[in-house]
Amino acid sequence: DQQVKQNSPSLSVQEGRISILNCDYTNSMFDYFLWYKKYPAEGPTFLISISSIKDKNEDGRFTVFLNKSAKHLSLHIVPSQPGDSAVYFCAASAPQAGTALIFGKGTTLSVSS
Amino acid sequence: DAGVIQSPRHEVTEMGQEVTLRCKPISGHNSLFWYRQTMMRGLELLIYFNNNVPIDDSGMPEDRFSAKMPNASFSTLKIQPSEPRDSAVYFCASTAGTGGGNQPQHFGDGTRLSIL
Repeated sequence: DQQVKQNSPSLSVQEGRISILNCDYTNSMFDYFLWYKKYPAEGPTFLISISSIKDKNEDGRFTVFLNKSAKHLSLHIVPSQPGDSAVYFCAASAPQAGTALIFGKGTTLSVSS
Repeated sequence: DAGVIQSPRHEVTEMGQEVTLRCKPISGHNSLFWYRQTMMRGLELLIYFNNNVPIDDSGMPEDRFSAKMPNASFSTLKIQPSEPRDSAVYFCASTAGTGGGNQPQHFGDGTRLSIL
């Protein structure tokens, strides 16, 4: 059973508009949530993270929001740029020492100019 | 500043052959992870090492898969014998510390494996 779910396989947005990527999780013990971005033929690269004790983290055009009661997080990209077109993975970690990340299946974002 | 280096980038081989994937983590990182990406299952963790010691191999699909980390700068993932269902992209990642969520993992560019 998937503990981290990205229910939208794809999203299309126009350049300059906001992109909102969503992620749901089931394990209330997760202590960190991360977003990774992946271009074709490359490995995922870390984008932004948020601790479970916070509800928002911002880094330039990227903001992650966490709603613990709904077990939901979202990544906002404003303004979207064509170079943002990639697969975005949501990931989560549990607080046990040495626990690796659990990934969602990804959402493909296409930003058109 | 070298990132995680994986080799080969592509591997095509026949069913039944032994396959060895290689990974060089970022210098100074003491946790190393092997992931497999497929359309059906997405990115799933196979095994991870901390200070060269395997900590969790519960994701290794079966005995045909094995992984080693003989030193801090090298790891291998071996499949013997290989089967067509092993076809996937295999990623290696490394991080400092124990790899918790506050220590983002750095990924290599992956090995695309095709078993005919």
